Amino acid sequence: SQKIEQNSEALNIQEGKTATLTCNYTNYSPAYLQWYRQDPGRGPVFLLLIRENEKEKRKERLKVTFDTTLKQSLFHITASQPADSATYLCASYTDKLIFGTGTRLQVFP
Amino acid sequence: EAGVAQSPRYKIIEKRQSVAFWCNPISGHATLYWYQQILGQGPKLLIQFQNNGVVDDSQLPKDRFSAERLKGVDSTLKIQPAKLEDSAVYLCASSGAYQETQYFGPGTRLLVL
Repeated sequence: SQKIEQNSEALNIQEGKTATLTCNYTNYSPAYLQWYRQDPGRGPVFLLLIRENEKEKRKERLKVTFDTTLKQSLFHITASQPADSATYLCASYTDKLIFGTGTRLQVFP
Repeated sequence: EAGVAQSPRYKIIEKRQSVAFWCNPISGHATLYWYQQILGQGPKLLIQFQNNGVVDDSQLPKDRFSAERLKGVDSTLKIQPAKLEDSAVYLCASSGAYQETQYFGPGTRLLVL
């Protein structure tokens, strides 16, 4: 069955550093991947989409990569701030969105 | 632009009782989704509507869950009878025609005792 895995349950980093989150999928080829941010008690908020024929996408301090050979996407937040603290969800799309379990990012001053 | 509205925000019921959740999508959005998010997991799609037709309900436990989207706007999701394992957050999302971005509501947190 189609699965998507986010390797870290939690990631703690210092303010100003770059946070890197990992998402892996197996045995299928998503048409695209999406990254969402979810704060406690709220629904996910869309951040970025990257298609299978794209290697990299950027939006302000956010960057996402898509490596179809490694079957992996990396999500980077540069110059991280305490306000970036949240859970980040990776999702793959074939005929429906399949979400990973999320990585909880904590940025401390 | 108003976001996706959901009600109630919280619900506590006993097992074997029934419960219903309501969703009002973003105006003009043709596609509506219901997801179940169990604590510590990512959202799982239960059902997808395109206007008032069902596109995908392959992961909906149809013996106890039902959903409808009359007139292609608002939607309700019902659980009858509820089980302990139905305790979760039920998220509604919507997207415009041919749009890949989904906009989520705040969710309804259900606790089944």
